[in-house]
Amino acid sequence: NAGVMQNPRHLVRRRGQEARLRCSPMKGHSHVYWYRQLPEEGLKFMVYLQKENIIDESGMPKERFSAEFPKEGPSILRIQQVVRGDSAAYFCASSPQTASYEQYFGPGTRLTVT
Amino acid sequence: GQNIDQPTEMTATEGAIVQINCTYQTSGFNGLFWYQQHAGEAPTFLSYNVLDGLEEKGRFSSFLSRSKGYSYLLLKELQMKDSASYLCAVRDLNAGKSTFGDGTTLTVKP
Repeated sequence: NAGVMQNPRHLVRRRGQEARLRCSPMKGHSHVYWYRQLPEEGLKFMVYLQKENIIDESGMPKERFSAEFPKEGPSILRIQQVVRGDSAAYFCASSPQTASYEQYFGPGTRLTVT
Repeated sequence: GQNIDQPTEMTATEGAIVQINCTYQTSGFNGLFWYQQHAGEAPTFLSYNVLDGLEEKGRFSSFLSRSKGYSYLLLKELQMKDSASYLCAVRDLNAGKSTFGDGTTLTVKP
């Protein structure tokens, strides 16, 4: 049973470009969470999604950031017009519908903005 | 909102016992988690406490006191591979959002 998958593992973008981060939850999991981790810091919650629904986006910056979890396919975190401060590790976690406290993390995408 | 405090760094000796504390102030509480994170890797789940008391799982134990807003992670018989960052996280009432502390970096020395 494959775990949470994220791709790409490493992403380099120039300032002003768009970054698209993908997350495929574990099989049977319908809840997805995105977190950002700056160097030497803890994880900061960004957004919580279920299929086709954004449940809690209180941690998302108001501009340039968006997330979706379509009926088919992976969850996508999109960052438009990236800036240097967006450089971080972005982790996705998923949980099953019946036990939402069990969050399983993916390996993360390390975004570097040059 | 949530505010979580844990020590930044700790050092311990192989074979010893170490206790990592976590205090929190929350506007809502639905459980406290401990995760282990090795450098450059994803966090891995260690424990979940929602009721007061001690939960033991092998060499790791986690304690919670809701009235004091306090938890600790106890690691026994330390091994070199236990050198990692340990993250304390509090789950919101809506059971979705979790707020993480900045982590405690534990270094185990021979």
